Amino acid sequence: GQNIDQPTEMTATEGAIVQINCTYQTSGFNGLFWYQQHAGEAPTFLSYNVLDGLEEKGRFSSFLSRSKGYSYLLLKELQMKDSASYLCAGMDSNYQLIWGAGTKLIIKP
Amino acid sequence: GAVVSQHPSRVICKSGTSVKIECRSLDFQATTMFWYRQFPKQSLMLMATSNEGSKATYEQGVEKDKFLINHASLTLSTLTVTSAHPEDSSFYICSVKHQGDTEAFFGQGTRLTVV
Repeated sequence: GQNIDQPTEMTATEGAIVQINCTYQTSGFNGLFWYQQHAGEAPTFLSYNVLDGLEEKGRFSSFLSRSKGYSYLLLKELQMKDSASYLCAGMDSNYQLIWGAGTKLIIKP
Repeated sequence: GAVVSQHPSRVICKSGTSVKIECRSLDFQATTMFWYRQFPKQSLMLMATSNEGSKATYEQGVEKDKFLINHASLTLSTLTVTSAHPEDSSFYICSVKHQGDTEAFFGQGTRLTVV
């Protein structure tokens, strides 16, 4: 079956670094997405990885290892506004997104 | 990225009535539109996938006669929740994608409350 696993909740301190892990099992693979979702709002796109390695975009970076079925989202210099849920989604061979349950990130001052 | 407008953002309706939610792609030809439902503290659940001019493909467990989807053009899809009940109260989100692209763009979501 298809499955996306990520931690339910994480807590970090303002100004620090946090890594949110995601493991995936999909029927075929066409990439791994990370989305940010603030409470009561729709998700917004953060990153897309289809090749192994690290993609850096400002304070956010995303890593993919296809052989391990593993990805992580790295957030640096955390700000209070980064408090949100972070959704990991794998795209299968039919180009359908398989969603994880999301990781709720709590930032403390 | 593409601009996707979803309307209304919030709606409260009486049990037994029907509600229509619109999803418009303002600057983008959306060959495929997805409708999701999200209950509190849960992830997105795909309800159906629609391609322009074709009938929607519904996920298992989603009643197609209750959740009517129309994707009449490359810029508009509608979801109609017919005979809504309190258990249909949820956050409904559309996303759009152009054929051959990987990224999907989301609407703002619609908070439906059935009383």
